[in-house]
Amino acid sequence: KNQVEQSPQSLIILEGKNCTLQCNYTVSPFSNLRWYKQDTGRGPVSLTIMTFSENTKSNGRYTATLDADTKQSSLHITASQLSDSASYICVVANSGYSTLTFGKGTMLLVSP
Amino acid sequence: NAGVTQTPKFRVLKTGQSMTLLCAQDMNHEYMYWYRQDPGMGLRLIHYSVGEGTTAKGEVPDGYNVSRLKKQNFLLGLESAAPSQTSVYFCASKDRPLRKLFFGSGTQLSVL
Repeated sequence: KNQVEQSPQSLIILEGKNCTLQCNYTVSPFSNLRWYKQDTGRGPVSLTIMTFSENTKSNGRYTATLDADTKQSSLHITASQLSDSASYICVVANSGYSTLTFGKGTMLLVSP
Repeated sequence: NAGVTQTPKFRVLKTGQSMTLLCAQDMNHEYMYWYRQDPGMGLRLIHYSVGEGTTAKGEVPDGYNVSRLKKQNFLLGLESAAPSQTSVYFCASKDRPLRKLFFGSGTQLSVL
């Protein structure tokens, strides 16, 4: 069964600090891995998409890494801001048109 | 540019009532999806469409029906609402299989 596990479930950090969120998956065959940010009461917004051949992809202060051998990904947030408070969802796509497996998300709270 | 628009934003139903959720996108996307998001769970696919006039079942289709009569609209129907259908419903769209999803802002549905 395809699964995506995220850790930690929740995290509180001080404004200006860095943090790293983890994602482990058992989706096969693998197509790509995506990170989404979901603000409270809003729909998810795409941060990055990485294919098998990509190890790192950045989007501003967000940097995602992918190790396809160990089936792990991480999302690193640099110099956190209050607006980074949100749920971060890891999503893995297999080679089908519509099969996406969503993680439960990591809830990040950036405290002033 | 509105993107993906969902109506209504909130709705309360009594058990057995019916309703239709509307999703409209103005990006000329071929692929459209309906997901539900429940506490402590990742988003789960209800139904999807790969083009005008087509629909297909997702992971949790029971109790729901969909229609895609026009390319820009994707309707989700509940014929006889049940308390288990209390959830937040998200519509999403994309133009090609490996591209990112664009989500609407969600519909909070409560079935009493």
